[in-house]
Amino acid sequence: QVQLVESGGGVVQPGGSLRLSCAASGFTFKNYGMHWVRQAPGKGLEWVAFIRYDGSNKSYADSVKGRFSISRDNSKNSLYLQMNSLRVVDTAVYHCAKVSGLNWFDPWGQGTLVTVSS
Amino acid sequence: QSALTQPASVSGSPGQSITISCTGTSSDVGGYNFVSWYQHHPGKAPKVMIYDVSKRPSGVSNRFSGSKSGNTASLTISGLQAEDEADYYCISYTSSITWVFGGGTKLTVL
Repeated sequence: QVQLVESGGGVVQPGGSLRLSCAASGFTFKNYGMHWVRQAPGKGLEWVAFIRYDGSNKSYADSVKGRFSISRDNSKNSLYLQMNSLRVVDTAVYHCAKVSGLNWFDPWGQGTLVTVSS
Repeated sequence: QSALTQPASVSGSPGQSITISCTGTSSDVGGYNFVSWYQHHPGKAPKVMIYDVSKRPSGVSNRFSGSKSGNTASLTISGLQAEDEADYYCISYTSSITWVFGGGTKLTVL
């Protein structure tokens, strides 16, 4: 079945960097766009970034633009999120999600926790 | 990229119907038929309940329905059941080629 598994979360100091990964299986990864979505503790879901199926187009939320970079390796069925200049407010569970149809998210991974703290 | 507006909470008794609204602008909800709704139980992966405003994925109960009027989309759950208790989020595609979520609505089944 279609499965997405995130990894790479952890504790990092403000100003630090972290790279998240999302391993995809059960579908032809290279044919689908992918998203990152996050949820800070006690807060709602926030869309973070999108990458087209072939990596040719990317978009970001204003809150992470210039600091985060989304990428993919279709040969490894993997999605990445490089997070630089991390701030305390970036503390959240980060989910990857596959684009379904034209514009919806299904399925989602369980998420990986990123904690930015000194 | 302002968040779409949802009520913070709604509640209903088993068997009743409830509606959750999701208000945006002509640059997002009103401009595209790309609103989807997600059910989120804490600690689990969110699950799509409605996509493209009013379409229901295979496997989702027909008690869930979606609609849109102008800049406001709505999710209606009829015949409320205890297992419907969860957080619900709307999300819309935007004219900036980005996506924006609603703030989320906590549904309590009394």
